Amino acid sequence: AQRVTQPEKLLSVFKGAPVELKCNYSYSGSPELFWYVQYSRQRLQLLLRHISRESIKGFTADLNKGETSFHLKKPFAQEEDSAMYYCALYNTNAGKSTFGDGTTLTVKP
Amino acid sequence: GAGVSQSPSNKVTEKGKDVELRCDPISGHTALYWYRQSLGQGLEFLIYFQGNSAPDKSGLPSDRFSAERTGGSVSTLTIQRTQQEDSAVYLCASSPPGSGRYEQFFGPGTRLTVL
Repeated sequence: AQRVTQPEKLLSVFKGAPVELKCNYSYSGSPELFWYVQYSRQRLQLLLRHISRESIKGFTADLNKGETSFHLKKPFAQEEDSAMYYCALYNTNAGKSTFGDGTTLTVKP
Repeated sequence: GAGVSQSPSNKVTEKGKDVELRCDPISGHTALYWYRQSLGQGLEFLIYFQGNSAPDKSGLPSDRFSAERTGGSVSTLTIQRTQQEDSAVYLCASSPPGSGRYEQFFGPGTRLTVL
């Protein structure tokens, strides 16, 4: 069975500090992994996907198949990054995603 | 263009009553998902519709929960005999066909409070 684990419910950093939101997964197939973000009073939206290998709002995430991880990183956190972040794994056979429990990031001034 | 819409945005009901939550997906999106987001919890998958295929109901927590999707578009999630533990935000998402199917577009959610 597939599973997505985000070990930190809450994460707090100071503005300008590096931030890493952890995500580990278990899946027998080839994973399709995503990060979604939910800012205060906004709807949940896609932040980035591993297959695109893109940087969005300064965030990057690298898929590490050996460690089965897909951690989200940003070298210099900003206050506007404060939000709830969800890691998600898409099962191409079942056609649906499994989400982690989410990490609430707070960036303090 | 218009995104996923959900109604009502808020619903307060009494324990034991039935409720219906509505989702209008993005036009042309073939996949539709329902999730539940409880306070301090993650996203709990409830049900998934894909085109004309039989829905994946594996996430529905009890037989009090049901959902249908009419004409491959609008979906209604029904909760019968509501309980206090049903209080949560119910999110709907849709995905396009083809190569874009991995991304889900979420609605604003319906906040359900069962008194």
